[in-house]
Amino acid sequence: DAGVIQSPRHEVTEMGQEVTLRCKPISGHNSLFWYRQTMMRGLELLIYFNNNVPIDDSGMPEDRFSAKMPNASFSTLKIQPSEPRDSAVYFCASNKIQGVRANEKLFFGSGTQLSVL
Amino acid sequence: AQSVTQPDIHITVSEGASLELRCNYSYGATPYLFWYVQSPGQGLQLLLKYFSGDTLVQGIKGFEAEFKRSQSSFNLRKPSVHWSDAAEYFCAVVLQGGSEKLVFGKGTKLTVNP
Repeated sequence: DAGVIQSPRHEVTEMGQEVTLRCKPISGHNSLFWYRQTMMRGLELLIYFNNNVPIDDSGMPEDRFSAKMPNASFSTLKIQPSEPRDSAVYFCASNKIQGVRANEKLFFGSGTQLSVL
Repeated sequence: AQSVTQPDIHITVSEGASLELRCNYSYGATPYLFWYVQSPGQGLQLLLKYFSGDTLVQGIKGFEAEFKRSQSSFNLRKPSVHWSDAAEYFCAVVLQGGSEKLVFGKGTKLTVNP
């Protein structure tokens, strides 16, 4: 299996531009998580989906952030408009177990390094 | 407030030396506990987990961790460190019966000297 695939690996954009991050979970997995990692705040859960349905988006920083999962094999995280403070590494993770035990063995992608100038 | 604390931001050990990385949590109940490792430029990989039962759990790559309820701790150990263990290590918790959210500590960066 190719694992969780994220694209792009690196994104450099200017403040005010729209940014879209993409994630392809492992086939057969039905839980998908978006995390953000910064030096100051560490790893933060932004949102997670079960069976393509958003379960908890309380970690999404503000209305500029939105996430979708139109089908079981694809998810996007969009920032519009982007700001310099959004610069971070964004990770996608997936698992095939629902509920608390979904965290039992999360499979992480390699992340997208976002730089907003 | 509920939190996960890793007191050591950076630890340096010599290859072959023993290692202990600390993790403390502050929750009213016993959470599920995890240790993840992140190699440079990579995502996180699960090392081990504790849900219930034996408080000493074994993980991959020769790591183990011990849950101590009285100390609210879940420290990660390895008897002999290899140069390839250099990475960042994250402790994480999920509250039993609560949200499915995995809450991470800030991480401990491990440097291994030859």
